[in-house]
Amino acid sequence: KAGVTQTPRYLIKTRGQQVTLSCSPISGHRSVSWYQQTPGQGLQFLFEYFSETQRNKGNFPGRFSGRQFSNSRSEMNVSTLELGDSALYLCASSLSPGGTDTQYFGPGTRLTVL
Amino acid sequence: GQQLNQSPQSMFIQEGEDVSMNCTSSSIFNTWLWYKQEPGEGPVLLIALYKAGELTSNGRLTAQFGITRKDSFLNISASIPSDVGIYFCAGRSSGTYKYIFGTGTRLKVLA
Repeated sequence: KAGVTQTPRYLIKTRGQQVTLSCSPISGHRSVSWYQQTPGQGLQFLFEYFSETQRNKGNFPGRFSGRQFSNSRSEMNVSTLELGDSALYLCASSLSPGGTDTQYFGPGTRLTVL
Repeated sequence: GQQLNQSPQSMFIQEGEDVSMNCTSSSIFNTWLWYKQEPGEGPVLLIALYKAGELTSNGRLTAQFGITRKDSFLNISASIPSDVGIYFCAGRSSGTYKYIFGTGTRLKVLA
């Protein structure tokens, strides 16, 4: 069974631009969670989607948004990029929502904002 | 953001040595997960724990769900060079709907 896939793996953007990241969960998994990982803050929860609905949200500004499609694939969008948005963005999939199930991570998208 | 206390922060050990690390929470958890992350990759699930006192092994790795439900431990026996990486714990408490992650333990194995 294929694992969680994320595209692209690497991105370089400039301040003020916007970016869209994609995540395809493990086949049969309907929950997708997004995390931001930085050396200073560690792994921070962004939001979770289940059955095309946002179920849970972390403490990030409204510039960070996401959506989920009917095939469970999810996208995350960051608008008006800031230097501090440089990070590894990870998505994790699970069968059930709300952290009730084991999460499996993708390889991540490394975003660099110049 | 919220993080779990994980210790030690880093370890330098000789190949063949055993390793122990732990994670503590101020809240009672009902799930603990342990992950390993290598440079440039996402965390890979090692062990999942769902019951207080549970002891689970995965090869040379053994993890335990603390009986107070506020801590968890990971042991690696007879370390090898490929054990190098950052080990993270993650926990979820009853009534919450997301995982909280530990600060990570960076392991380096000297051959």
